Amino acid sequence: QKEVEQDPGPLSVPEGAIVSLNCTYSNSAFQYFMWYRQYSRKGPELLMYTYSSGNKEDGRFTAQVDKSSKYISLFIRDSQPSDSATYLCAMSNSNTGNQFYFGTGTSLTVIP
Amino acid sequence: DAGVIQSPRHEVTEMGQEVTLRCKPISGHDYLFWYRQTMMRGLELLIYFNNNVPIDDSGMPEDRFSAKMPNASFSTLKIQPSEPRDSAVYFCASRTGGGYGYTFGSGTRLTVV
Repeated sequence: QKEVEQDPGPLSVPEGAIVSLNCTYSNSAFQYFMWYRQYSRKGPELLMYTYSSGNKEDGRFTAQVDKSSKYISLFIRDSQPSDSATYLCAMSNSNTGNQFYFGTGTSLTVIP
Repeated sequence: DAGVIQSPRHEVTEMGQEVTLRCKPISGHDYLFWYRQTMMRGLELLIYFNNNVPIDDSGMPEDRFSAKMPNASFSTLKIQPSEPRDSAVYFCASRTGGGYGYTFGSGTRLTVV
């Protein structure tokens, strides 16, 4: 079983829709959770960072962590064509130092 | 800030040839990471350095892969000899010790034929 599981999609939604992206994980020691956005032929860029459980909001983006279910989500409100990208979740714990475990990414297309 | 700079952007080489990928981290970042990305396996950590010293190379697939960081502003990942299964996008990333997440470069797309 992989440390982090992520549905690869692809996911296609109309402009303005609410998008929900999800990851599950197996290591209960993970405490640091991140979402990266990767445009085609570019490197991943950090989008959201949360510690432990709870919600974090930044503009149209909301990250949720449910440690009891080992489940994290990224919600995108009022999705825009510019949100079309691959979204990768990543997580870590203090014991792994600088090793982040990445999901394989979900490809999202927002149709104008 | 120019970000993390990788070269070349694309590399096509024949099986058996030596390949060298290059990375310049962000100035002041003391951690440097090499990742490989494929459709099947996603992002895999190959090796990372702290203050130019290799800390964990357990992700390096085999002895054909080697990485160096001779100074704080430059690192190389070398594959010798290269094989078709090495075809992937190789990313370099850097961060500060107290920072959140990484800053990735744009990657090197390697194709071994």
